[in-house]
Amino acid sequence: DGGITQSPKYLFRKEGQNVTLSCEQNLNHDAMYWYRQDPGQGLRLIYYSQIVNDFQKGDIAEGYSVSREKKESFPLTVTSAQKNPTAFYLCASSKAGDYKQPQHFGDGTRLSIL
Amino acid sequence: GQQVMQIPQYQHVQEGEDFTTYCNSSTTLSNIQWYKQRPGGHPVFLIQLVKSGEVKKQKRLTFQFGEAKKNSSLHITATQTTDVGTYFCAGRASGGSYIPTFGRGTSLIVHP
Repeated sequence: DGGITQSPKYLFRKEGQNVTLSCEQNLNHDAMYWYRQDPGQGLRLIYYSQIVNDFQKGDIAEGYSVSREKKESFPLTVTSAQKNPTAFYLCASSKAGDYKQPQHFGDGTRLSIL
Repeated sequence: GQQVMQIPQYQHVQEGEDFTTYCNSSTTLSNIQWYKQRPGGHPVFLIQLVKSGEVKKQKRLTFQFGEAKKNSSLHITATQTTDVGTYFCAGRASGGSYIPTFGRGTSLIVHP
């Protein structure tokens, strides 16, 4: 079955540490996204990518970095500069070039501070 | 920038009662999508509305898109415990980015 796989499901970060969240999709989608979800805040866009080797900042990109070296993969690094990283992180993908395309989400990664 | 407001933030209902969540945009939308997120889960696409005044139904769920394409609603008739979750709207601005802006969601709690 096609889908989006996020790992790990739970992640703990120590002070001053960078951590990387994995997102892999086999839906052959060009566009991929990272969202942060906090209680009562809805989904806030961190970064998105429409094509390999290109990505754009979303609304809350500070303290995060991404790469898009392969179509299937869009890892997110939460750097030590992100002072409040505890949240639920969701990766999504969609077909690009058509505003009607829905987004498909992974199961998410819950990140907490040790 | 574009803003999508969604109300209410929470709604408690007794099983069998109806439920409605509203979504309002500061700009005209090209389309609006609705997603459902079960507790502990991830958002799942429910439906998309594109045309002005469009109404779509999925069993007990009715989705509407306003005539001015700036607001939308989701109505659930005779709620069941399986309806529990958070419902999000996501709209794309006309002539703008293809990236949707999500509302903050409405969490539905159904009491048996």
